[in-house]
Amino acid sequence: DAGVIQSPRHEVTEMGQEVTLRCKPISGHDYLFWYRQTMMRGLELLIYFNNNVPIDDSGMPEDRFSAKMPNASFSTLKIQPSEPRDSAVYFCASSRQTGGLAKSQHFGDGTRLSIL
Amino acid sequence: DAKTTQPNSMESNEEEPVHLPCNHSTISGTDYIHWYRQLPSQGPEYVIHGLTSNVNNRMASLAIAEDRKSSTLILHRATLRDAAVYYCILRSYNTDKLIFGTGTRLQVFP
Repeated sequence: DAGVIQSPRHEVTEMGQEVTLRCKPISGHDYLFWYRQTMMRGLELLIYFNNNVPIDDSGMPEDRFSAKMPNASFSTLKIQPSEPRDSAVYFCASSRQTGGLAKSQHFGDGTRLSIL
Repeated sequence: DAKTTQPNSMESNEEEPVHLPCNHSTISGTDYIHWYRQLPSQGPEYVIHGLTSNVNNRMASLAIAEDRKSSTLILHRATLRDAAVYYCILRSYNTDKLIFGTGTRLQVFP
């Protein structure tokens, strides 16, 4: 079975540019999570969706970040304008719902983002 | 969120058992104990979780103290592929969120 698919795997761009990260969750999963990982701050939850609806975006750093989930098989995380401090590895994860809660999360391989 | 404390790093030799400790003295009665690991250059992967009783699966065993204030992840025979950062996470029964700490970096030597 295909796991969580993220694209691109690597992105290098100049500050001020718009960056779009993409995620395809595992088919049949109800939850989708976006995380960011840096050496300084570790792995942080940015936002998560349940049935395509954003549930908690309290981890989104600022208005430059936005996330959407237009359908059950696709989500995007956008940064506009990008800044060097946004450089990190961004992970997407998905999970199935059971008993009203998310089960174990399945992570993609991440997008390594470098803002010059 | 209840906090967990793990050693920064541990070492093991291949084919030996590894016991990774986690302290969670402020755990509440409805917190589940989850373990994930992150191999180099990969996303985290689920290992095991439990509430009160010890748990076993194909990857590992989870031993939970009777007072639930600590737990131990047991890898019965370490392999080189088990070298990773292991995260112990408490998750309340009424939340979908996982809050990752700094974890334990496990090195496995041949």
